Amino acid sequence: AQSVTQLGSHVSVSEGALVLLRCNYSSSVPPYLFWYVQYPNQGLQLLLKYTSAATLVKGINGFEAEFKKSETSFHLTKPSAHMSDAAEYFCAVSLGPVNSGSARQLTFGSGTQLTVLP
Amino acid sequence: NAGVTQTPKFQVLKTGQSMTLQCAQDMNHNSMYWYRQDPGMGLRLIYYSASEGTTDKGEVPNGYNVSRLNKREFSLRLESAAPSQTSVYFCASSVLQLSGANVLTFGAGSRLTVL
Repeated sequence: AQSVTQLGSHVSVSEGALVLLRCNYSSSVPPYLFWYVQYPNQGLQLLLKYTSAATLVKGINGFEAEFKKSETSFHLTKPSAHMSDAAEYFCAVSLGPVNSGSARQLTFGSGTQLTVLP
Repeated sequence: NAGVTQTPKFQVLKTGQSMTLQCAQDMNHNSMYWYRQDPGMGLRLIYYSASEGTTDKGEVPNGYNVSRLNKREFSLRLESAAPSQTSVYFCASSVLQLSGANVLTFGAGSRLTVL
């Protein structure tokens, strides 16, 4: 079984400041990890994913995340926040590499609402 | 390219009424999913269909039924709606990438209120 914990349901940063959204996971086998973003009244969009190819993963809109096995973490960062980054961010985990349909299910964290202050 | 299309976008029901949420994808994905999103709880999987002709329960299946009508369409039915089913419902489809990662594409959501 796998699980995800996102620390901080709400994070506020000033425009231009560093964005750090925290995600810790629990998995019995090497995981696949994802960050999704949800803008108001929209569905979720994939920001980036970790598939064991490289521990530092770059995504869209200047975001990146680093997989740290020793800390079971996959924190999302962006060097300089922009007003358009205001959204809810979800970390998710699935088991891999496996072929079972049930094992490919994504388990989502509870989300972090990012507010960017002018 | 429409991606994942959900209908309706908004619906208000009375307790005990039934309704079906429709979902269609045009990306030729094998797997499809229904999630519900509630404040502070993230997304919880209701049902999924790993491939055409198969459906399986997720984390919160009680009170729901699904039908995988064909490869494109996956519907979610509430037979007797309850206020606890007030939520935003998301349909998603996925393709298993060469890396082994299962990447989901989501619809825009359907907001359901049960009075």
